[in-house]
Amino acid sequence: AQKVTQAQTEISVVEKEDVTLDCVYETRDTTYYLFWYKQPPSGELVFLIRRNSFDEQNEISGRYSWNFQKSTSSFNFTITASQVVDSAVYFCALSVWTGTASKLTFGTGTRLQVTL
Amino acid sequence: DGGITQSPKYLFRKEGQNVTLSCEQNLNHDAMYWYRQDPGQGLRLIYYSQIVNDFQKGDIAEGYSVSREKKESFPLTVTSAQKNPTAFYLCASSIGGPGEQYFGPGTRLTVT
Repeated sequence: AQKVTQAQTEISVVEKEDVTLDCVYETRDTTYYLFWYKQPPSGELVFLIRRNSFDEQNEISGRYSWNFQKSTSSFNFTITASQVVDSAVYFCALSVWTGTASKLTFGTGTRLQVTL
Repeated sequence: DGGITQSPKYLFRKEGQNVTLSCEQNLNHDAMYWYRQDPGQGLRLIYYSQIVNDFQKGDIAEGYSVSREKKESFPLTVTSAQKNPTAFYLCASSIGGPGEQYFGPGTRLTVT
């Protein structure tokens, strides 16, 4: 069975601060996929990134960066110079492709509040 | 404009009534999914379909039913057998395989 843990329930920062959202996962499969989604107050989940288990290269996209470490089963997400528009709930998720189905297992989310 | 539409955004029903939530996508995706989100919790998978005329139960399928007669559509029926139906329901689709899922805007269902 798969499990995703986001230990930080809520984080509050002041605009322009850097913030890191933690994600720890558990799976016995050697091939798996990790995702981050953003859920703004409107409710729709917005896809941010997908990584597969064979690619541990860190990724940067503008102010967003992701640190994937298989040794610690972590896939952390950092927002640099946070902005008020970054306020949302962020979900980390894991999927395993069985050859016929891919089901996402979500963490419980981290609510990020960015204030002026 | 390609995307996933869910209607309505808010839905109110009396206890004991069945209710059907709509999900339509024009992304030409093969796979579609239904999730339920409760306050302070992550999303839980209700049903999924990898191809037309085929679907499988997710982790919390009891009290729900689905159909997949067309590639574009995957309606979810919340039956009176669902003990606690009040929740936020999200539909998603993907190209299939291990690809990322894209989500609709959701339907907030309240049953009293």
